[in-house]
Amino acid sequence: GESVGLHLPTLSVQEGDNSIINCAYSNSASDYFIWYKQESGKGPQFIIDIRSNMDKRQGQRVTVLLNKTVKHLSLQIAATQPGDSAVYFCAEINGKLSFGAGTTVTVRA
Amino acid sequence: DAGVIQSPRHEVTEMGQEVTLRCKPISGHNSLFWYRQTMMRGLELLIYFNNNVPIDDSGMPEDRFSAKMPNASFSTLKIQPSEPRDSAVYFCASSRSVAGGDEQFFGPGTRLTVL
Repeated sequence: GESVGLHLPTLSVQEGDNSIINCAYSNSASDYFIWYKQESGKGPQFIIDIRSNMDKRQGQRVTVLLNKTVKHLSLQIAATQPGDSAVYFCAEINGKLSFGAGTTVTVRA
Repeated sequence: DAGVIQSPRHEVTEMGQEVTLRCKPISGHNSLFWYRQTMMRGLELLIYFNNNVPIDDSGMPEDRFSAKMPNASFSTLKIQPSEPRDSAVYFCASSRSVAGGDEQFFGPGTRLTVL
């Protein structure tokens, strides 16, 4: 079946560096994508979203890129901070929300 | 606003027992979602409601699972009888609507352990 997935399960980043988290999706009919952040012991928290009619969207220190040609989504975090350590999920909406497996980001001091 | 409230935060029970998880959505939100999270399967949508009416329960794993939303401010997810494989973190989320553009706000989750 069609699903949302992530390229890497873990990512270790030096504090201050930029982080890039990747996500591949297979449902070409999906028209809306969201990145969530989940800290230990908490529920997922919305970070940024993007619609399929866009290829880039920027927030505060975060940028989401969408490449519909190869069905790829990425989240870029600028100047990664210790508080960015968490599990990051991409999610697609095609009728309902479907989550990928998640990437664990660890920030090294 | 207090956000989405879930209770209990932790539940440990024995196989065969009934488990009831509770959720209070954010006031004014019309849609409510129940998710289950495990290491093996990640985050799975179990069921969601719009205006207290169940819209899609295709994610509910078995007849042992049932969910209700008697009013706009309360929902329950019940497992009867519970089994060890039901052990997971169960999240409730709410949004203004089920439309794709409306952000879902998640509660802190209930960690269920079935022995």
